[in-house]
Amino acid sequence: KAGVTQTPRYLIKTRGQQVTLSCSPISGHRSVSWYQQTPGQGLQFLFEYFSETQRNKGNFPGRFSGRQFSNSRSEMNVSTLELGDSALYLCASSFQGSQETQYFGPGTRLLVL
Amino acid sequence: DQQVKQNSPSLSVQEGRISILNCDYTNSMFDYFLWYKKYPAEGPTFLISISSIKDKNEDGRFTVFLNKSAKHLSLHIVPSQPGDSAVYFCAASAATSGTYKYIFGTGTRLKVLA
Repeated sequence: KAGVTQTPRYLIKTRGQQVTLSCSPISGHRSVSWYQQTPGQGLQFLFEYFSETQRNKGNFPGRFSGRQFSNSRSEMNVSTLELGDSALYLCASSFQGSQETQYFGPGTRLLVL
Repeated sequence: DQQVKQNSPSLSVQEGRISILNCDYTNSMFDYFLWYKKYPAEGPTFLISISSIKDKNEDGRFTVFLNKSAKHLSLHIVPSQPGDSAVYFCAASAATSGTYKYIFGTGTRLKVLA
């Protein structure tokens, strides 16, 4: 089975721009979660989608949004980028989002200049 | 408020010896815990999990211990190998309303010296 894929792998943007990141979960997985990883902060939970619905949301401003499509692929959007948004963005998929193992993609490294 | 804490940012261990990575949590509702390993430029990979109904889970060289009264869990790697050098994250979740999210610690960088 193919793993979780994320595109693009690297991205450079400037302040004020917006960005869209994509995540394709493992086939058959319906839950997709997004995390932000910055040095010293670990993985911070952004949101989780299941069957095209956002079920959980972390403590991030409204500039961070996401969606999930009927094939379970998910996108994350960050508008009005700030320098502090530079981070590794990881998505993880699981079968139904219950207490089960999440499988992570390689991440998208975003640099905001 | 960091609900899951890994107070040691780094740890060095000789090859063949035991590595012990620690994780503390503050939320008594947490009832499921996982450990992940992360190499540079890769996403975290799942290592081992433990439910709060157990106090120990073992998988090959990896054993996780859970002390609920102390709100503490630890990952033991025996024997440690150079390929184990990575950043290790613990994560915790609480079953709430049938949906779950994981809270991650800040990670411990393990270096196994040959």
